[in-house]
Amino acid sequence: NAGVIQTPRHKVTGKGQEATLWCEPISGHSAVFWYRQTIVQGLEFLTYFRNQAPIDDSGMPKERFSAQMPNQSHSTLKIQSTQPQDSAVYLCASSLAYEQYFGPGTRLTVL
Amino acid sequence: AQKVTQTQTSISVMEKTTVTMDCVYETQDSSYFLFWYKQTASGEIVFLIRQDSYKKENATVGHYSLNFQKPKSSIGLIITATQIEDSAVYFCAMRERASSSFSKLVFGQGTSLSVVP
Repeated sequence: NAGVIQTPRHKVTGKGQEATLWCEPISGHSAVFWYRQTIVQGLEFLTYFRNQAPIDDSGMPKERFSAQMPNQSHSTLKIQSTQPQDSAVYLCASSLAYEQYFGPGTRLTVL
Repeated sequence: AQKVTQTQTSISVMEKTTVTMDCVYETQDSSYFLFWYKQTASGEIVFLIRQDSYKKENATVGHYSLNFQKPKSSIGLIITATQIEDSAVYFCAMRERASSSFSKLVFGQGTSLSVVP
């Protein structure tokens, strides 16, 4: 099993540009979660999908952030008009039951 | 709202000894799950062990075990016979026992463990 795959591993954008992050969950897992990790805030929940349907986006900044899961094999997190405070490691996790299994993360740097 | 607190910022122990990392949590839910994860130096986050709130027995997996004290809302992680490769940041996390079967994880701030020879 390949585990959760995230691409790209590193992304550098200029302020105001768009960033799209990709996640491929573990095959057969029905839930996909997005988290963000920073030194100051730690690990924060953003949003999650179950069977491709959005269930809880309570952690998503209401402006500029959006997430989709068009099919069972991938999910995307899009950040429009990126700002320096969006710099973080964005983590995707998938789950079959109780535990969540994390991908390696995408380190986003906004200059 | 749920909250998880790890008060130990960093711990250093000698190899082959036992270490305990503390975690306390707050929740209004009557049923929930507690987890410990490990984040290695490469950034990889690895699931270690889970405790179900309705189970009285402490979970054990390999050289990881838990000290679950429900009245104190406490879930400590015990690592026995520590190895150099146990050096990492350890996160405590919890989630409610949602009727939908899935829910978000709420994480503590993490405890950095250094195992020295």
